[in-house]
Amino acid sequence: KAGVTQTPRYLIKTRGQQVTLSCSPISGHRSVSWYQQTPGQGLQFLFEYFSETQRNKGNFPGRFSGRQFSNSRSEMNVSTLELGDSALYLCASSLNTGGTEAFFGQGTRLTVV
Amino acid sequence: GNSVTQMEGPVTLSEEAFLTINCTYTATGYPSLFWYVQYPGEGLQLLLKATKADDKGSNKGFEATYRKETTSFHLEKGSVQVSDSAVYFCALSDHNNAGNMLTFGGGTRLMVKP
Repeated sequence: KAGVTQTPRYLIKTRGQQVTLSCSPISGHRSVSWYQQTPGQGLQFLFEYFSETQRNKGNFPGRFSGRQFSNSRSEMNVSTLELGDSALYLCASSLNTGGTEAFFGQGTRLTVV
Repeated sequence: GNSVTQMEGPVTLSEEAFLTINCTYTATGYPSLFWYVQYPGEGLQLLLKATKADDKGSNKGFEATYRKETTSFHLEKGSVQVSDSAVYFCALSDHNNAGNMLTFGGGTRLMVKP
């Protein structure tokens, strides 16, 4: 059974640009969550999608957005990139909603210069 | 709101030593508790979980018991190996929240020397 796949693995962008990250969950999983990991702030929840609907949202500015497609694949977008957006972005998939265990991808390392 | 506090690292041990990483939590209701491990350059791997009070999660020699009375979920291993060197995260998922949002502790780096 394939795991959670995140693409690309590495990205370098310039301040002010926008970026789109992709996540393919485990087959059959309908919930996809996104997290930002930085040395200073640790792991912070961005948002969760379940059956194409955003279920929860963390405390991030509106520059961070996401969506989920009918096949459960998800994308997150960050517009007007800032240096502080440099981080490891992790996607997690879960079978259902309501506290079920999450399986993480390897992450996308975003560097903003 | 929910929060997870775990001991700061790094924790440095010799091979075959006993490991304890402390984790305490604050949550409304009765959360599920998890330990995740992250190896260099990788995402998070679920190590073990417990979904209700007094449950013991175990995997690969690691154990943790859900203690509601002390709001704790300490990670233990009787004999660590060099390959256990990684960063360990304690996390909770609140059942009152209909989603799968995880609240993480700050992580504890474990270094095991031969």
